[in-house]
Amino acid sequence: AAGVIQSPRHLIKEKRETATLKCYPIPRHDTVYWYQQGPGQDPQFLISFYEKMQSDKGSIPDRFSAQQFSDYHSELNMSSLELGDSALYFCASSPSPNQPQHFGDGTRLSIL
Amino acid sequence: SQQGEEDPQALSIQEGENATMNCSYKTSINNLQWYRQNSGRGLVHLILIRSNEREKHSGRLRVTLDTSKKSSSLLITASRAADTASYFCATAMYNNNDMRFGAGTRLTVKP
Repeated sequence: AAGVIQSPRHLIKEKRETATLKCYPIPRHDTVYWYQQGPGQDPQFLISFYEKMQSDKGSIPDRFSAQQFSDYHSELNMSSLELGDSALYFCASSPSPNQPQHFGDGTRLSIL
Repeated sequence: SQQGEEDPQALSIQEGENATMNCSYKTSINNLQWYRQNSGRGLVHLILIRSNEREKHSGRLRVTLDTSKKSSSLLITASRAADTASYFCATAMYNNNDMRFGAGTRLTVKP
């Protein structure tokens, strides 16, 4: 069965650079979520989209933005990267809000 | 602040024993979900229990929910070495599309 696809799997950037993470949800899933997980930490909700519209916002810094496109894939754009942005970034999708979420394997972002 | 808090933070047991993990939360919820995460991998959904349910089973998993105490427990029976992972509870509030995770319990099952 198709799963959530995230790219790239690993990304190395320097401070003050920008990064774009991509997420391809499971087909026919209309809700996409982004999470940030620091080392040894629990996943922190960043932002979610339902039917291509932003639906909820969590602890997402102003330096980050995200959108969901007409084909339902989503991108997380990160600017002015800081050392503290080093983390695993997960995307998840669900068939509808408040349903079990299916997670991708994440993008490991390292800031040097 | 985090919606869910879990205890214990770490649990080490022998294969065949039962493992119980607890989760507490602070606000009203629509449902509570348990997820499992192997090191460095994505989370895998285990079970969802709605606010009007008290107990749910799935294979060797048993989840209880006490909304009056704002707490839930996950019981894994007859544990296996392959159950070694971190387990997170997550709560979803009514009509919200954001899910809040607790701090997680690191379970180690020794063969």
